Amino acid sequence: GENVEQHPSTLSVQEGDSAVIKCTYSDSASNYFPWYKQELGKGSQLIIDIRSNVGEKKDQRIAVTLNKTAKHFSLHITETQPEDSAVYFCAASRGNTPLVFGKGTRLSVIA
Amino acid sequence: GAVVSQHPSRVICKSGTSVKIECRSLDFQATTMFWYRQFPKKSLMLMATSNEGSKATYEQGVEKDKFLINHASLTLSTLTVTSAHPEDSSFYICSARVPSGRGSYFGPGTRLLVL
Repeated sequence: GENVEQHPSTLSVQEGDSAVIKCTYSDSASNYFPWYKQELGKGSQLIIDIRSNVGEKKDQRIAVTLNKTAKHFSLHITETQPEDSAVYFCAASRGNTPLVFGKGTRLSVIA
Repeated sequence: GAVVSQHPSRVICKSGTSVKIECRSLDFQATTMFWYRQFPKKSLMLMATSNEGSKATYEQGVEKDKFLINHASLTLSTLTVTSAHPEDSSFYICSARVPSGRGSYFGPGTRLLVL
């Protein structure tokens, strides 16, 4: 079955700097890769996703890249702000199978 | 190893019956658990937040009388889909929040098929 590894587990950046979180997956048939943000005391919310037919997707300060050959995908947050501080989860699935999640990355943006 | 389990992993039921799904945190006590629904080829939808010893908080549009949530202990939350209909067929995924706000672990999901 699918296995998703996420790194780093914790990440601290200065406000205004960029943050990058990386995930690898094992199932080459996976074709859907969402990223979720979990703020303290709240449930996880989808922030961006990418499908295997594209290599990059961007939404304002957030971007996701996908390398199907290497089976890894990354979340990029530019110009980080304190409100970006949260736990971020990556996930992968074939689309008609349950999502398999990474273990999460705690991002701290230091003002 | 897995730190959050769900049971059953998949269930097939007839329309009109009720189905209970369990979510257990195995290595830690979770005062808060979350229930999600995953639609085919789509992302997760947060259904409700389950707090141990109190009523669950449901997201807008989620029928609390249809999706009954009980968080009876610090390691167990249950989701009961009452009077299930074919449109309730989906993956249901729980997550359990680690104490001290260090994030959450997701369960492996339960596939529900209502015939």
